Amino acid sequence: DAGVIQSPRHEVTEMGQEVTLRCKPISGHDYLFWYRQTMMRGLELLIYFNNNVPIDDSGMPEDRFSAKMPNASFSTLKIQPSEPRDSAVYFCASTWGQPSYEQYFGPGTRLTVT
Amino acid sequence: GEDVEQSLFLSVREGDSSVINCTYTDSSSTYLYWYKQEPGAGLQLLTYIFSNMDMKQDQRLTVLLNKKDKHLSLRIADTQTGDSAIYFCAEKAHGSSNTGKLIFGQGTTLQVKP
Repeated sequence: DAGVIQSPRHEVTEMGQEVTLRCKPISGHDYLFWYRQTMMRGLELLIYFNNNVPIDDSGMPEDRFSAKMPNASFSTLKIQPSEPRDSAVYFCASTWGQPSYEQYFGPGTRLTVT
Repeated sequence: GEDVEQSLFLSVREGDSSVINCTYTDSSSTYLYWYKQEPGAGLQLLTYIFSNMDMKQDQRLTVLLNKKDKHLSLRIADTQTGDSAIYFCAEKAHGSSNTGKLIFGQGTTLQVKP
């Protein structure tokens, strides 16, 4: 398997623009997670899905952030409008759950908002 | 709530053993994990241990679990410069509402000096 795939790997955008990050989980995995990593706040869980249904979005910072999972092989994280404080590395991870729930991470998208 | 704590930095000489420590608060944790993050990369699962075990060994890696003290450690034997990275400890979140979630520590930066 190719592992978790994320695109783009790098994104530079101007404040106020819409940003869409994409993730393809490992085939057969039924959980998908979106994380954000910054030096100041470390690794934060934003939202996660089980069988394409959002289970916990309490980590989504504001209404500017939204996530969807239209099918088992694709998810998006959208920021609209983007702000400089959204600059971070965004990771997607997936797992098949039982029994051990180990998560497999993608390479991340480095987002810079100027 | 659940919390995972790690020291932030460890420096060792090449060839020495490294021991990275972690404490967690949820005594009902079933699985505990170690991840490695190299610069510019995602988190890579190194190993995990089930809570009914007190030790797991995998080549140069030894995981020790002390359930009484809620303490987890990762020992790397014969540490190499390629082991320089950030190491994250994580526990599986407890409760039906948290199914699938992992709680991550803030990461320990391991510096290996030649």
